[in-house]
Amino acid sequence: GENVEQHPSTLSVQEGDSAVIKCTYSDSASNYFPWYKQELGKRPQLIIDIRSNVGEKKDQRIAVTLNKTAKHFSLHITETQPEDSAVYFCAAGTQGGSEKLVFGKGTKLTVNP
Amino acid sequence: GAGVSQSPSNKVTEKGKDVELRCDPISGHTALYWYRQSLGQGLEFLIYFQGNSAPDKSGLPSDRFSAERTGGSVSTLTIQRTQQEDSAVYLCASSFIAGGPGTQYFGPGTRLTVL
Repeated sequence: GENVEQHPSTLSVQEGDSAVIKCTYSDSASNYFPWYKQELGKRPQLIIDIRSNVGEKKDQRIAVTLNKTAKHFSLHITETQPEDSAVYFCAAGTQGGSEKLVFGKGTKLTVNP
Repeated sequence: GAGVSQSPSNKVTEKGKDVELRCDPISGHTALYWYRQSLGQGLEFLIYFQGNSAPDKSGLPSDRFSAERTGGSVSTLTIQRTQQEDSAVYLCASSFIAGGPGTQYFGPGTRLTVL
């Protein structure tokens, strides 16, 4: 089955710096890669996703890149702000299969003011 | 419209007791998922329902765990003979799948504490 590895497990940056979180997946059939943000005590919420027919997607300060050949994808947050502090989860899913997502173990991002 | 709701929000039980956790998905969503999140940990997949298909139970940790989805809507996760290691937040999510994996919308979770 699919296996998703996520790194780093913790990341601390200064406000205004960029943050990058990387994930690798094992199943070459995976074609849907969402990122979820979970603030302390709250539910995970989708912040951006990418499908395998594109290599990059951007939404304001957040971007995701996908390298299908290498089977890895990354989340990039620019101009970080304290409210970006949260746990971020990557996931991989497959169209036409069971449609379930396999999640990485999460990255705790701390943005220091 | 209304999001995914779960009840109860908190449940404290004694070891050996059975518990039932409820999930109300977003109306019209065809897929429903249960996850378990231990303190400071990731999302552990438990079970997945999609339409009238047989559920994917591959993530259930033991036969003490079961789930059902009635009428393609509300789902109940049952844990029998609870153990202390069952203590966690149980999250439910739903999505609308049309030709591919859809965005999963999570409920607020049920925090289960087994004494």
